[in-house]
Formats: sequence, structure tokens, C-alpha cells
Amino acid sequence: DQQVKQNSPSLSVQEGRISILNCDYTNSMFDYFLWYKKYPAEGPTFLISISSIKDKNEDGRFTVFLNKSAKHLSLHIVPSQPGDSAVYFCAASASGTYKYIFGTGTRLKVLA
Amino acid sequence: NAGVTQTPKFRILKIGQSMTLQCTQDMNHNYMYWYRQDPGMGLKLIYYSVGAGITDKGEVPNGYNVSRSTTEDFPLRLELAAPSQTSVYFCASTIGWANTEAFFGQGTRLTVV
Repeated sequence: DQQVKQNSPSLSVQEGRISILNCDYTNSMFDYFLWYKKYPAEGPTFLISISSIKDKNEDGRFTVFLNKSAKHLSLHIVPSQPGDSAVYFCAASASGTYKYIFGTGTRLKVLA
Repeated sequence: NAGVTQTPKFRILKIGQSMTLQCTQDMNHNYMYWYRQDPGMGLKLIYYSVGAGITDKGEVPNGYNVSRSTTEDFPLRLELAAPSQTSVYFCASTIGWANTEAFFGQGTRLTVV
């Protein structure tokens, strides 16, 4: 049972345009969501997070939106740069569980 | 800063062999995790620990064991390696509850033949 889903395995975007990566979840107990970026042969690195008490969080070129009623979050990258080409994972956790549940990842390719 | 360090980076095991994947962190984090990543799949939680002496099973614990004798170290043991354990293994740590970012090691690529 996949509690966190990233339905797009890959995405290609032109440099300078917006990249939108999507993530859906099924467990209503999740109250904290994170995005990680992963380059080949490296471990995931934290990108941005959002608590369920918010519907938006911004950090430079990266913005995460949370729609609790739809159990959906998205990561917007504006403007996209070739260095953003990586696999992006969303993850979710519920307070008191000590665990993160990860999605399957979306491979983003930013074309120069 | 070293952060989370995993050794080895690569390993080939024969079926039935045993090995220990080492993980150490120098951030004084209480919470540590072991994940595996299979091709096209997300990261699946194997085991986690909320502090020295305390461990618990994650989503896919079968075939693995862990121990946490110190805050810094969280080794993962494979007793009888099977081809299904071919994967990339990541160790991670966090400073507190799950509502904080996790820091990951660079991973161990394990192949069981």
C-alpha cells in the first residue's frame, strides 16, 4: 500500500521555465511533508518542507504548496536551471511516529 | 563536517554470506534510520532507532538486524544474503521527531549474486 505517490516518473522542462512536481498521499494523519533532491551516486539532500498548518512555503526558487483536502502537495521550481536535474522525492510523516514515508520519485531533466 | 558516513560504498556478496553495513553520524542526533532503494522505487524504511539501546522495525525488516549501542553508530546486519537484498542502502539521522529534515549518507550499493 503506497501511502505517498508520485505518479510522474519523469519530467522534462526548458531552462528558465517552471517545473512542477506533484505528490499525493492517502494517510490523513500525515502532518509534515518534505522534498528531497537526489543526484546519482549520492544520498538524498533536504530541499524544503511544509507543516500541515500551512498551505505554502517558499525558499528562493523553490515553493511547496499543500492542499490538505485533496491530500496533494506540489513543488514549484522557478526558474528551472540545468543544475536542478535530479530525482525528487516527496516524503511524509505523522507526529509521534518517528518515520518518514517516501514516494517513488520523479526524475527532472532541465534542458539547456 | 562529516555528517552521516556509510561504509562500504560498494559490495558484492555471495548468496548466504553475511555482512554489516556501517553508519556513523557526528551530529549527536538521537534518531537514525536505514532505508533501501530499489530501481524505480522510493526509499523503504528497514529499521530505525530513537536513541541508544532502542530500535524498531520499519516497512521491510525481514532479513536484517540492527543494534544501537552508541548515539553515533547504527550498523545494519545482513545474516544470510539473498538476491532480493540487492539494493542501494541509505542511512539517515535526524535531530528530533520526524518533523525535521533527515541527513543522509552517500549510500552503499550492495549486489548479492
